[in-house]
Order: sequence, then C-alpha cells, then structure tokens
Amino acid sequence: AQSVTQPDIHITVSEGASLELRCNYSYGATPYLFWYVQSPGQGLQLLLKYFSGDTLVQGIKGFEAEFKRSQSSFNLRKPSVHWSDAAEYFCAVAPAGNNRKLIWGLGTSLAVNP
Amino acid sequence: GAGVSQSPSNKVTEKGKDVELRCDPISGHTALYWYRQSLGQGLEFLIYFQGNSAPDKSGLPSDRFSAERTGGSVSTLTIQRTQQEDSAVYLCASSNTGWETQYFGPGTRLLVL
Repeated sequence: AQSVTQPDIHITVSEGASLELRCNYSYGATPYLFWYVQSPGQGLQLLLKYFSGDTLVQGIKGFEAEFKRSQSSFNLRKPSVHWSDAAEYFCAVAPAGNNRKLIWGLGTSLAVNP
Repeated sequence: GAGVSQSPSNKVTEKGKDVELRCDPISGHTALYWYRQSLGQGLEFLIYFQGNSAPDKSGLPSDRFSAERTGGSVSTLTIQRTQQEDSAVYLCASSNTGWETQYFGPGTRLLVL
C-alpha cells in the first residue's frame, strides 16, 4: 500500500543548529512530494514541493529538501533553525500527475531551545 | 487576498446530533478538498471537489458523512448522528486546479461528547 513515513515523532534542536527531518515514501513510481508546516493556531502552509527536475528543492523560510530516488526519501533541511520554526512538519505525497489526493505522514513535532 | 476560511472554528456537540461544517475557498479556486486530522492518525483525505462535482469521495468514513459544494464556491461537510470517534479537526483546502498547490484553512475543531 502507498504510505508515507516520518520516523521522528518529536525532535528538539537548539536555536542556530542545523535541522534535518526525514521522510520516506512507498510508491510504485516517483510521486509528487510536499512538505507542509503547521504552526500553533495556524493553518497548514506549503514549504516546498518536488514534481520533477532538480532533486534539490528550495522553499520558503530558508528550508530545502532533497529527493533521493534510490532511498525513496525526501528529507527536509535547514542550516540554522530559528525559534519561530517550532511547529509540526508534515511530509505528503501524491501520485505523479495528480495532486488531488495527498497521502500524509504522521508529522514531526519540532521544538527549538533558546 | 483572503485565504481559505472555515466556520465554526470550534464545535462541541452531543453524540447523535448532526453537525455542519463550512468552508469558503479562495476566490476563483476550482478545486476544494476536505481532510480530517485526528490525534495519532495524521491527516486523512475525505473528499475532493472539482467545481460542484465530487470525482473522489473515497475517503468519507461512512454514510453518515456527506459533503456538497454549490456555485463552485462554498462547501459544507455534514456529519449525521455524530459519534465520539468523529472528534477531530476538519481541514478544508482549495487549489486553482486539481494540479496546483493546495491552500489550507485554519480548520474546525469538532468535539463530540
């Protein structure tokens, strides 16, 4: 069955430290890949997406993600975390050519220590 | 411009009652989606609208759940005879077409007592 796995339920980092959030998917073909962020009291916001082409994708708020086909992974990274990055992060996938039905990971909760 | 709005923001109801949740998409967006976010379950796709028609209802959990969209704009998700397991945050999203980025509303938090 198609699935998305975010292995880390909760991560704590210090402000200014680097961050990597993991996402693995199980799909027959390369799907569309997304990272969303959900801050307390806020709606889900798209950070970045990968459809095709360059496997390193730049997003908003200084985030980037790298698609690795051989590992079926789409990990999210940020070189230097800010306290305002504390939030829930969700990886989602959709069948290639169809963004209509997103399949979601369970999310990773990020806490940032001052 | 205005984003996706949902109402009410919170709803407390008694088991067995019917509830209606409303979603106002971004103006001009033709596609509209409903998701449910439960503790420990992540986000589940419920239904997708293109215009006023729903090509994909595969995520609706039971026949107690229904949704409609009128005028290619506002959508209502109705849950009949609510059960405690229906307690969740119900999220609505819209996109310009079925292929573009989905923009999410703040959600309606439903608590069934």
